[in-house]
Amino acid sequence: QKEVEQNSGPLSVPEGAIASLNCTYSDRGSQSFFWYRQYSGKSPELIMFIYSNGDKEDGRFTAQLNKASQYVSLLIRDSQPSDSATYLCAGANSGGSNYKLTFGKGTLLTVNP
Amino acid sequence: DAGITQSPRHKVTETGTPVTLRCHQTENHRYMYWYRQDPGHGLRLIHYSYGVKDTDKGEVSDGYSVSRSKTEDFLLTLESATSSQTSVYFCAISELSGGAGETQYFGPGTRLLVL
Repeated sequence: QKEVEQNSGPLSVPEGAIASLNCTYSDRGSQSFFWYRQYSGKSPELIMFIYSNGDKEDGRFTAQLNKASQYVSLLIRDSQPSDSATYLCAGANSGGSNYKLTFGKGTLLTVNP
Repeated sequence: DAGITQSPRHKVTETGTPVTLRCHQTENHRYMYWYRQDPGHGLRLIHYSYGVKDTDKGEVSDGYSVSRSKTEDFLLTLESATSSQTSVYFCAISELSGGAGETQYFGPGTRLLVL
């Protein structure tokens, strides 16, 4: 059973702080990882993806991947109240095209003004 | 929403009745997916399609069937709805993203309540 584990939270940070969201995965063959943001009552929206070891930055967001430790993280710098949402981590299946994703249950982030 | 619509957006039905949810895309993507999302379970794949008339099961396919007769439409049918199928249903498409392979984008969702 391929699993993606996330701390369900809630994670609470003050405005302007760095929020750190973590994810571990069981399938060593997983190639790519995705972070989605989901506001309450809305659909998941893609924030960014990462497939190489190391860091990938996009604006205030940085994704980190460590394949040896089977660990993915998302850092949000200068957190804003509008970042308050559930963040979903997903890993792409191994063995060919990553057309199926396994999702974690999500981490609820609250950014306090 | 990557050109994805779902209908209906909300539905209330009774146990034992058939229900069909529709997902429509405007961008000719090959892969389409149906997920359900429940508290404590996250997003779980029900069925997916990799082309017209080509479908396969996901991890929670029991009680559901799908059809794809046209590239743009992917239908999810609950043959005889049960209360355990009360959920939020999301359709997704995937498109190639440089280096990451297929990246999935979600429709707005359908809230289904089975009484």
